[in-house]
Amino acid sequence: DVKVTQSSRYLVKRTGEKVFLECVQDMDHENMFWYRQDPGLGLRLIYFSYDVKMKEKGDIPEGYSVSREKKERFSLILESASTNQTSMYLCASLSGGVTDTQYFGPGTRLTVL
Amino acid sequence: ELKVEQNPLFLSMQEGKNYTIYCNYSTTSDRLYWYRQDPGKSLESLFVLLSNGAVKQEGRLMASLDTKARLSTLHITAAVHDLSATYFCAVDSLAQGGSEKLVFGKGTKLTVNP
Repeated sequence: DVKVTQSSRYLVKRTGEKVFLECVQDMDHENMFWYRQDPGLGLRLIYFSYDVKMKEKGDIPEGYSVSREKKERFSLILESASTNQTSMYLCASLSGGVTDTQYFGPGTRLTVL
Repeated sequence: ELKVEQNPLFLSMQEGKNYTIYCNYSTTSDRLYWYRQDPGKSLESLFVLLSNGAVKQEGRLMASLDTKARLSTLHITAAVHDLSATYFCAVDSLAQGGSEKLVFGKGTKLTVNP
């Protein structure tokens, strides 16, 4: 069975802290994605990666960076957390086959105080 | 830039009724996806639609795709309370580097009342 896990379900951090959100998939997928989800705005793509050490900016990359040192792990980094980064963060992975779909992790609800 | 619009954004319906959610997108795309999200949970894949005229059905949900009109529909037949959730459509888009990404609609929050 497909599995995408995220390091925390809930996280509370203070403004200015460095925050790491981790995502692990066990399906040997090449493509991994980070989204944030906010009420009324739907899902917005932050960064994605189509291979180890490769990354591409999504639609809202400002204030975030990513790391993909191993195929199964994709980390989202908030260098200096701000209150406007309070959100639900969702990780997803995709193998890239014609009929494949993105498989989502359970999400991390991050609150920045 | 690809834009994906869903309507309605909120839908309250009675059990047993039928209704359709619409998903319009602005540029040509190869694939369209429908996802379901329950409150406090993550997204679950419902359908992947690959070609013009594609129709897929599971239970009381049926999705179709018209690539010429750039329109997909999610039809709900004889709604039951268990279908209450938020439904998202998403469309494949080519990113600048040539890889693919999904662009999501804002979601339709469906509430089925007894």
